[in-house]
Amino acid sequence: EVQLLESGGGLVHHGGSLRLSCAASGFTFSNYAMTWVRQAPGKGLEWVSAIGGSGGSPYYADSVKGRFSITRDNSKNTLYLQVNSLRAEDTAVYYCAKFSTGQWPVLDYWGQGTLVTVSS
Amino acid sequence: QLVLTQSPSASASLGASVNLTCTLSSGHSSYAIAWHQQQPEMGPRYLMKVNSDGSHIKGDGIPDRFSGSSSGAERYLTISSLQSDDEADYYCQAWGTGIGVFGAGTKVTVL
Repeated sequence: EVQLLESGGGLVHHGGSLRLSCAASGFTFSNYAMTWVRQAPGKGLEWVSAIGGSGGSPYYADSVKGRFSITRDNSKNTLYLQVNSLRAEDTAVYYCAKFSTGQWPVLDYWGQGTLVTVSS
Repeated sequence: QLVLTQSPSASASLGASVNLTCTLSSGHSSYAIAWHQQQPEMGPRYLMKVNSDGSHIKGDGIPDRFSGSSSGAERYLTISSLQSDDEADYYCQAWGTGIGVFGAGTKVTVL
């Protein structure tokens, strides 16, 4: 059974930093690209960042480019998101998700999310 | 640029069917999309991937009441025999060139 378990969220001041983690199990982690998606209170889903199975090819949404960094440790089956220079608009639940394989990859498993709250 | 367009809301009676549409922007009609369900106060749940030829691949445990299809740049999600816990937000999602894209979501109300 595929499981994704996020952790690391919390309350942080404007300009602060956090490192979010996503522990994966139930599949061969290194074979799959992974992604972070966030949802601000009362809003829709927003894609944040993605990374290839080997750790290369990181991609970022314009809204977080230069402030967030996605990495993975395949020996620990764990995905990370380092979030720096946090702003009020970064307040959201952050979900990790797994990509499917093939020509048109989609997200086929989700974690339960971790809440990041940025105070001013 | 890949954009996914969804209607903001849809409704149908208990036991009836509802059809949701996700429209791909011009030039992207060959893309597959995924449908995700988000019930109130819950995280998203993958429902299915819908390919341009109308074939679809469901997630674990997704009942037969949920089905997908395609026509041109449109991708559809049909929910039959509506139940109360189908009341949720439904998002379509695709992967563009180095960027993830979500539709704005459709809120389904069961009357």
